[in-house]
Amino acid sequence: DTGVSQNPRHKITKRGQNVTFRCDPISEHNRLYWYRQTLGQGPEFLTYFQNEAQLEKSRLLSDRFSAERPKGSFSTLEIQRTEQGDSAMYLCASSPPRDSPAYEQYFGPGTRLTVT
Amino acid sequence: QKEVEQNSGPLSVPEGAIASLNCTYSDRGSQSFFWYRQYSGKSPELIMFIYSNGDKEDGRFTAQLNKASQYVSLLIRDSQPSDSATYLCAVNRGGSNYKLTFGKGTLLTVNP
Repeated sequence: DTGVSQNPRHKITKRGQNVTFRCDPISEHNRLYWYRQTLGQGPEFLTYFQNEAQLEKSRLLSDRFSAERPKGSFSTLEIQRTEQGDSAMYLCASSPPRDSPAYEQYFGPGTRLTVT
Repeated sequence: QKEVEQNSGPLSVPEGAIASLNCTYSDRGSQSFFWYRQYSGKSPELIMFIYSNGDKEDGRFTAQLNKASQYVSLLIRDSQPSDSATYLCAVNRGGSNYKLTFGKGTLLTVNP
């Protein structure tokens, strides 16, 4: 399978705990994105990497959230001191480096987080 | 005004009919437009993208873009029950701005 992969697929945690999610983009895709989706809503942009550089962060990404892409390959998203409002599907997407006005993004299967 | 608006549905069509899904956007600087299909409990799957005014066809799917009216649509011909899903419209401003802004999606049900 050469698609975007995410781990874990499901995570249940207690309020106040820290969690970390991993995303492996499609091979040779240099752009990587994190989104969050809650029930009945479209995905909301969180942050974006081009290679290892984090180029944009949404105001949705509070100080409790941090993302890294240390070698320009896989990425991690950490949430510290989780709150019940963090319960959502966390989606990772990647896009290829070609010059296209479309910048199409391909999503992984997501990590569903439940904070109890 | 929301950035990307879609009728939440549900839109119900009989099998074999044409399903028409609509999306409007508020940012006139938007450059490219995407349609994703999302089955319940799954992640979004890219169906089509379009960035020039007019129509773009891919199999049973046709995307239509009218930048002057800030309107993009997706037509699904010969609708099948397997097309039943939520369809998400997303827009991108282009340039150095790579993020997608999504609508809430339209739930499509194709009845056998």
